[in-house]
Amino acid sequence: EAQVTQNPRYLITVTGKKLTVTCSQNMNHEYMSWYRQDPGLGLRQIYYSMNVEVTDKGDVPEGYKVSRKEKRNFPLILESPSPNQTSLYFCASSPGTGQADTEAFFGQGTRLTVV
Amino acid sequence: QKEVEQDPGPLSVPEGAIVSLNCTYSNSAFQYFMWYRQYSRKGPELLMYTYSSGNKEDGRFTAQVDKSSKYISLFIRDSQPSDSATYLCAKKGGSNYKLTFGKGTLLTVNP
Repeated sequence: EAQVTQNPRYLITVTGKKLTVTCSQNMNHEYMSWYRQDPGLGLRQIYYSMNVEVTDKGDVPEGYKVSRKEKRNFPLILESPSPNQTSLYFCASSPGTGQADTEAFFGQGTRLTVV
Repeated sequence: QKEVEQDPGPLSVPEGAIVSLNCTYSNSAFQYFMWYRQYSRKGPELLMYTYSSGNKEDGRFTAQVDKSSKYISLFIRDSQPSDSATYLCAKKGGSNYKLTFGKGTLLTVNP
């Protein structure tokens, strides 16, 4: 089954404790991205990757890091989480990187709470 | 001005009604338009994808783009309780690869 898998689904952590949210897709997609979704603000892109070792900032990259060492995996790293990073996070993937391609598959989401 | 403006709702309709969901956008460079459906506690799923002006139909769903007025719409015919979800419009185009989302409209279809 084609899917984007995020882990964990729920996470409560303390301020400053480094964490990683994993994302994996099994469709050999080139493009992957991370979004956060907040009430009243909608979905906002954090980072995206057009291929292995190619990443770039989205709209709200501050406080986040990403890496793309393998095509299937695109982890999101919070080096020093803060309460304002409490949010619902989604990973997404797209077959290609052209203008006509769009995020066709989203993960189930990771609910992160930073206390 | 926000790049994508979407009626926030919430919208509540009886089963069988025709639903109209709307968005406006400000950047004429946008060329590709999408509608996503997001059920509670789930990730968005791509529902419709259109390019340029005109209509695109898929079963009970019709996506409409009017580039002259920068208006995009999603119509749902014979709405069902299973259509209850948040609907997100999105656009892509211009000089970057960023997908820009509206804030979503919460739809409830009552049996």
